[in-house]
Amino acid sequence: KQEVTQIPAALSVPEGENLVLNCSFTDSAIYNLQWFRQDPGKGLTSLLLIQSSQREQTSGRLNASLDKSSGRSTLYIAASQPGDSATYLCAVRLKAAGNKLTFGGGTRVLVKP
Amino acid sequence: EAGVAQSPRYKIIEKRQSVAFWCNPISGHATLYWYQQILGQGPKLLIQFQNNGVVDDSQLPKDRFSAERLKGVDSTLKIQPAKLEDSAVYLCASSLETTAYNEQFFGPGTRLTVL
Repeated sequence: KQEVTQIPAALSVPEGENLVLNCSFTDSAIYNLQWFRQDPGKGLTSLLLIQSSQREQTSGRLNASLDKSSGRSTLYIAASQPGDSATYLCAVRLKAAGNKLTFGGGTRVLVKP
Repeated sequence: EAGVAQSPRYKIIEKRQSVAFWCNPISGHATLYWYQQILGQGPKLLIQFQNNGVVDDSQLPKDRFSAERLKGVDSTLKIQPAKLEDSAVYLCASSLETTAYNEQFFGPGTRLTVL
């Protein structure tokens, strides 16, 4: 059974500092891994999707890496801003499970001005 | 393009009462998902529809939860009777198809509080 873990559960950094969010998964037979952002009272917004054949994806200040063999992904957010405060979730799609997403518990981020 | 719509946004009920949630997916999306997100946890898939057929309901507590997707468009999720542990946000998502490269688009969710 695929398990997805995100540590730490919460993180507080001063504005301008780089953010490093970790995601680990137990079953490496994945199609892809996706990072989401969730604001309080809102749904999920997709940030980055990394296919299993890729090592990383970049979008603006965001960079996500994937190491399938070790079952890890890292989301880097450069030069954090107060507007980056949110919960960040990673999710994987298993090859055996079609489009079903298995989520981690999320990391709640607070960027202090 | 309109996103996934859900209603109501908030609902407070007492235990043993019944409640229903509604979801309208993005137009043309064949696949619809209902997730349960308990506070402090990631979303957990409850049920997945392809058009009006169920693809996966392995984690749906069928003794109290039911869902339907009449005509393959809108969907309703019902809880009857509700328990305290059902307090959560219920998220609806949709995608074009069920294959693994189809992005899921999420609605704003319905926050349920069971007292």
